[in-house]
Amino acid sequence: GENVEQHPSTLSVQEGDSAVIKCTYSDSASNYFPWYKQELGKRPQLIIDIRSNVGEKKDQRIAVTLNKTAKHFSLHITETQPEDSAVYFCAASTVGNQFYFGTGTSLTVIP
Amino acid sequence: DGGITQSPKYLFRKEGQNVTLSCEQNLNHDAMYWYRQDPGQGLRLIYYSQIVNDFQKGDIAEGYSVSREKKESFPLTVTSAQKNPTAFYLCASRQTYYGYTFGSGTRLTVV
Repeated sequence: GENVEQHPSTLSVQEGDSAVIKCTYSDSASNYFPWYKQELGKRPQLIIDIRSNVGEKKDQRIAVTLNKTAKHFSLHITETQPEDSAVYFCAASTVGNQFYFGTGTSLTVIP
Repeated sequence: DGGITQSPKYLFRKEGQNVTLSCEQNLNHDAMYWYRQDPGQGLRLIYYSQIVNDFQKGDIAEGYSVSREKKESFPLTVTSAQKNPTAFYLCASRQTYYGYTFGSGTRLTVV
């Protein structure tokens, strides 16, 4: 089955700086890659996703890039704010099938 | 809660006891999933169901059971065979081509 690796496991940045979280996947058939944000004790919330026919997608301060050849995708958060502090999960799947999640990145934005 | 409701929010289990976690969705999603979340281990798939009256084991199904008698409902039973059930349990549903919608979770503790 699919194996998703996520790095780093923890990340601290100064407010206003950028944060980058990287994930790799093993199954070349995977074609859908969502990112989730989870605040302490709460449910994960979808923040952005990308499909395999697209190389980059942006939504305000958040962007995701996908390199299908290398089988890796990344989350970029610019102009970080304290409210961006949370655990972020990447995932990979094929259409209609289960998600395989990375182990999460705990992001701390220092005011 | 975004169309998918988990109950109870907190649950305490005694040794040797079976307990059932409820998950109900009104999103008309075909697929439903149960994940277990432990600190530092991300989200691990317990069971999933893509249609009514059918379900499949995930990566850590031992000690758990499910049913899918209605499209809206996917309850999870934690049996006495699950020796280390203390965790945060998340239910999710999905429409094909889109990301998961998660419930708010149930925190299960063994007492």
